[in-house]
Amino acid sequence: QKEVEQNSGPLSVPEGAIASLNCTYSDRGSQSFFWYRQYSGKSPELIMSIYSNGDKEDGRFTAQLNKASQYVSLLIRDSQPSDSATYLCAVNGGGSNYKLTFGKGTLLTVNP
Amino acid sequence: NAGVMQNPRHLVRRRGQEARLRCSPMKGHSHVYWYRQLPEEGLKFMVYLQKENIIDESGMPKERFSAEFPKEGPSILRIQQVVRGDSAAYFCASSQQAPAGNTIYFGEGSWLTVV
Repeated sequence: QKEVEQNSGPLSVPEGAIASLNCTYSDRGSQSFFWYRQYSGKSPELIMSIYSNGDKEDGRFTAQLNKASQYVSLLIRDSQPSDSATYLCAVNGGGSNYKLTFGKGTLLTVNP
Repeated sequence: NAGVMQNPRHLVRRRGQEARLRCSPMKGHSHVYWYRQLPEEGLKFMVYLQKENIIDESGMPKERFSAEFPKEGPSILRIQQVVRGDSAAYFCASSQQAPAGNTIYFGEGSWLTVV
């Protein structure tokens, strides 16, 4: 069964710190990897996508992918209280290239 | 994601009633996906549709659930004879194309409560 596992959290960091969110996946055929942010009662919002091994940076966010280890992470630098949300890791590829498999999410709280 | 329109945003149904959730994809998008998010659970894929075609409904419960995306009008997710376990957030997403890596955009969701 294809699974996506995230560190369960909740994760609490002080304002200005680096928040590190981790995700592992079971399907070696996975090709695309996404991080979504979801505020309570709201819809998922795509914040990062990554397709090849290595790092991808976008502003304060850096996604890291290691396909050999089946591991993808998200670093949030200079964390702000507005970053407090649940972060969802999603993976697609392998047998079906349109179906996203999501982790259960990690709740991040940034304390002022 | 504001471009994917879902309604109603909140829906309350009594057990045994029918729930109909509607989704209008972003302009120019012909691929629609429905996901369900149960309390304390991650989002689960339900169904993938293109205009007038169900491409993959492997995530749909075998009974009571159906989906369509007609030539004209929104995509509809229909739940017949709702039970309390159907209470969840139902998210619609759309994309311009289906290949791997293509970005999908989520709507604001429809929150179904069964009482």
